Amino acid sequence: DTAVSQTPKYLVTQMGNDKSIKCEQNLGHDTMYWYKQDSKKFLKIMFSYNNKELIINETVPNRFSPKSPDKAHLNLHINSLELGDSAVYFCASRNTNYGYTFGSGTRLTVV
Amino acid sequence: QKEVEQNSGPLSVPEGAIASLNCTYSDRGSQSFFWYRQYSGKSPELIMFIYSNGDKEDGRFTAQLNKASQYVSLLIRDSQPSDSATYLCAVNGGSNYKLTFGKGTLLTVNP
Repeated sequence: DTAVSQTPKYLVTQMGNDKSIKCEQNLGHDTMYWYKQDSKKFLKIMFSYNNKELIINETVPNRFSPKSPDKAHLNLHINSLELGDSAVYFCASRNTNYGYTFGSGTRLTVV
Repeated sequence: QKEVEQNSGPLSVPEGAIASLNCTYSDRGSQSFFWYRQYSGKSPELIMFIYSNGDKEDGRFTAQLNKASQYVSLLIRDSQPSDSATYLCAVNGGSNYKLTFGKGTLLTVNP
């Protein structure tokens, strides 16, 4: 079983569209994250939820809205997509040693 | 702004050599330190973590931490072509919930 699974793996969409990325973890962790990795491989934190409560909300356009229906799921909805949103988005959950387990990533391309 | 700095590389070493990857961080309150390996097109995977000053060894990998100098390094002994990847340094600051990543060092091991 995949520990942290994201869907879809690839997403190609036009500017102005709205899209969602889903993430689920079966590790029993309380804390989940969304990170954005740009073309230069820089991983930047966007959001974090701990047991359904938003605990980290970095400087991210409000077109991005996370939702956590339960502690095993963390989704990311993006409104009015822009070219600059093209990146790989990684979901992660936090291990007891404070490191993360990452999902396989969603490569978003906005055209 | 709490930062984690790495040389972007590329760092090129011959097979069998020792690869040395370095990382500095700005937040003196940082508690734990991680090295992730990321193959092209894949998600980051945790290879080492270290909390205390000194060395920590795991197989061919050794992590070194010097909190006074705000410096953490990763040594890879007997480097193999399969070690070719981007290595990401990550630091857990005063908040246990947030990992800040460096921009990564691209390592190439030549056969």
